Amino acid sequence: GENVEQHPSTLSVQEGDSAVIKCTYSDSASNYFPWYKQELGKGPQLIIDIRSNVGEKKDQRIAVTLNKTAKHFSLHITETQPEDSAVYFCAADPPGGSQGNLIFGKGTKLSVKP
Amino acid sequence: ETGVTQSPTHLIKTRGQQVTLRCSSQSGHNTVSWYQQALGQGPQFIFQYYREEENGRGNFPPRFSGLQFPNYSSELNVNALELDDSALYLCASSFRTGGDNEQFFGPGTRLTVL
Repeated sequence: GENVEQHPSTLSVQEGDSAVIKCTYSDSASNYFPWYKQELGKGPQLIIDIRSNVGEKKDQRIAVTLNKTAKHFSLHITETQPEDSAVYFCAADPPGGSQGNLIFGKGTKLSVKP
Repeated sequence: ETGVTQSPTHLIKTRGQQVTLRCSSQSGHNTVSWYQQALGQGPQFIFQYYREEENGRGNFPPRFSGLQFPNYSSELNVNALELDDSALYLCASSFRTGGDNEQFFGPGTRLTVL
């Protein structure tokens, strides 16, 4: 079945710098890749997603890139702010079975220092 | 904030007891997925409900069961609780179409098994 690996597990940046989180997946047939932000004591919040027919997607300071050949996708946050501090999860939605069976990475704890 | 609500927010049970967790989906959504999130890990898919029927299941034993009601709300039941069941239980709602479904998570129920 699908396996998602996420790196790094922790990331510390200065306010204003960029942050990059990378994920790899194993099932080449997976076709939907969302990213979630989880703040302490809250549920995961969908921040951006990408589908396999697109190589890049951007939403203000957040962008996601997808390399289907290499089976990896990345989250890029530019001009980081202290409120970006949270745990970020990547996920893949493998084909077959039920829709919505997201397979998550183990998370990246991002700390943005003012 | 999503429109997904969960109750209760916190729960303490002892080993061997049974527990019921509740989820109200976001308005307009017809599908509910349940996830278990252990401390420091990504969410793990338990099962999904669509049209009041289980529509896919992860690697969880039969003592994890659920229901979906005509108003699309859902319950997660866990029998014979074990210490390892201590976790954050998340529900996510989505609108099932023929393609990929964006999932929106609730705040979760923190279950502690003593």
